[in-house]
Amino acid sequence: DSGVTQTPKHLITATGQRVTLRCSPRSGDLSVYWYQQSLDQGLQFLIQYYNGEERAKGNILERFSAQQFPDLHSELNLSSLELGDSALYFCASSSGGTGGNTIYFGEGSWLTVV
Amino acid sequence: AQKVTQAQTEISVVEKEDVTLDCVYETRDTTYYLFWYKQPPSGELVFLIRRNSFDEQNEISGRYSWNFQKSTSSFNFTITASQVVDSAVYFCALSEGGNYGGSQGNLIFGKGTKLSVKP
Repeated sequence: DSGVTQTPKHLITATGQRVTLRCSPRSGDLSVYWYQQSLDQGLQFLIQYYNGEERAKGNILERFSAQQFPDLHSELNLSSLELGDSALYFCASSSGGTGGNTIYFGEGSWLTVV
Repeated sequence: AQKVTQAQTEISVVEKEDVTLDCVYETRDTTYYLFWYKQPPSGELVFLIRRNSFDEQNEISGRYSWNFQKSTSSFNFTITASQVVDSAVYFCALSEGGNYGGSQGNLIFGKGTKLSVKP
């Protein structure tokens, strides 16, 4: 158990809909990351927050947004969903916000768009 | 640009065989960090090891060992006496220190190597 908690574990939704994925980082970790894992793209970094502020942005679509709240939990919002958004979405956390910190991953949220 | 290459897409071995998973990385940073993660069939990503660019000492943890060679930009992972429970996808990843404004904190992953260990 990495200590990173993600909900929901599985989600099936229709195209055009909006979903929210939730993440609680490990106790004491200030940085939260979101990654998307799909068969064709592999593991792709989406976005990072550190202590409530956006720290780095990766290949995140404009239809997607995230935030980190004062209690350090984070949410990833996916809107206008398309079939191609079906993927495993990981949240991860680390103590610091820069390279060198070990990043621990949650169990992921399986999103299926039908 | 930063990049991680895992040339072996799939490897199949018989239990008790030794197996080496290759990882080659590219970065302009002089300070960087290398990682290995394991993704079993259940899907979670499990942290295995982190190495920084200043420490080229090889590491051994039980049946697992890692060989870091800066001269060849490689960070290979060997499983000795493989077991069925080692069956998983293994990812090598890179995190940069940010000397050249590159990624800071987040990981750049290779495509992964799927290891199947047959009984």
